Amino acid sequence: GAVVSQHPSRVICKSGTSVKIECRSLDFQATTMFWYRQFPKKSLMLMATSNEGSKATYEQGVEKDKFLINHASLTLSTLTVTSAHPEDSSFYICSASQGTRGYTFGSGTRLTVV
Amino acid sequence: GESVGLHLPTLSVQEGDNSIINCAYSNSASDYFIWYKQESGKGPQFIIDIRSNMDKRQGQRVTVLLNKTVKHLSLQIAATQPGDSAVYFCAENAGGTSYGKLTFGQGTILTVHP
Repeated sequence: GAVVSQHPSRVICKSGTSVKIECRSLDFQATTMFWYRQFPKKSLMLMATSNEGSKATYEQGVEKDKFLINHASLTLSTLTVTSAHPEDSSFYICSASQGTRGYTFGSGTRLTVV
Repeated sequence: GESVGLHLPTLSVQEGDNSIINCAYSNSASDYFIWYKQESGKGPQFIIDIRSNMDKRQGQRVTVLLNKTVKHLSLQIAATQPGDSAVYFCAENAGGTSYGKLTFGQGTILTVHP
C-alpha cells in the first residue's frame, strides 16, 4: 500500500532556531500534501495544503512566514518552522493524496522547543 | 471550530463488547467521510470510509453508519479488543475537490479493559 515517510519523528530545538520536517511519499506521486498540527488530547488542525510546484494554501490564522511549506517534487514536501518558540511545540503530521487513492498519513513529528 | 479547554469524550468498554463511537459533522456539503484510529505518538490510521450516497458500510469488525439528515456519523466496532484502545477521529471532505482537505472531528478516546 501507499506509504508516507515523515522525518524526524522527534526533534528538540532551541528557541529562535528553525526546524525542517520532511514528508516523502515512497511508492506513489503525491499531487497534494497536507500539513496538520495536533496539540495534546486535541484533534488534528489543518495548517496548509500544498500542490507540487505551486505555493501552499494556508488555513486562516496560520502564519505562512513562520511555517514555510515547500512542495518541490511529487514525492517530497517540507515544513520549516522558522524562529521556533516554545508555543510552537506540538505534534506535526503530514498527509499525501494522489487523486483517487485517498489519503496516506505520515507517522508525525514531535517538536519540542526549549 | 476547536473547543478550547474541553477534554476528549471517552468510552470505556470490556473486551468482547461492541463499541459505538459517534461523530457530528457540520458541513452539509461534505460528501466523503473517513474514520481514523490514532495511537499515542503516531499518525492517523485509516479504518473505514463512506460516501454520502450510502448510509452504511461494513468492514472487518467495523461498520460505519451515516445519517445525512441529522449530520451524524457513527463507528461500530464488534467484539472490541484491547488493541482497539486508541483515539478515534471522524473526518469529512467537503467535496468540490476529489480527496481535498479533510476536517477532523474532536475525537473519542476508547479504552478497552481486558
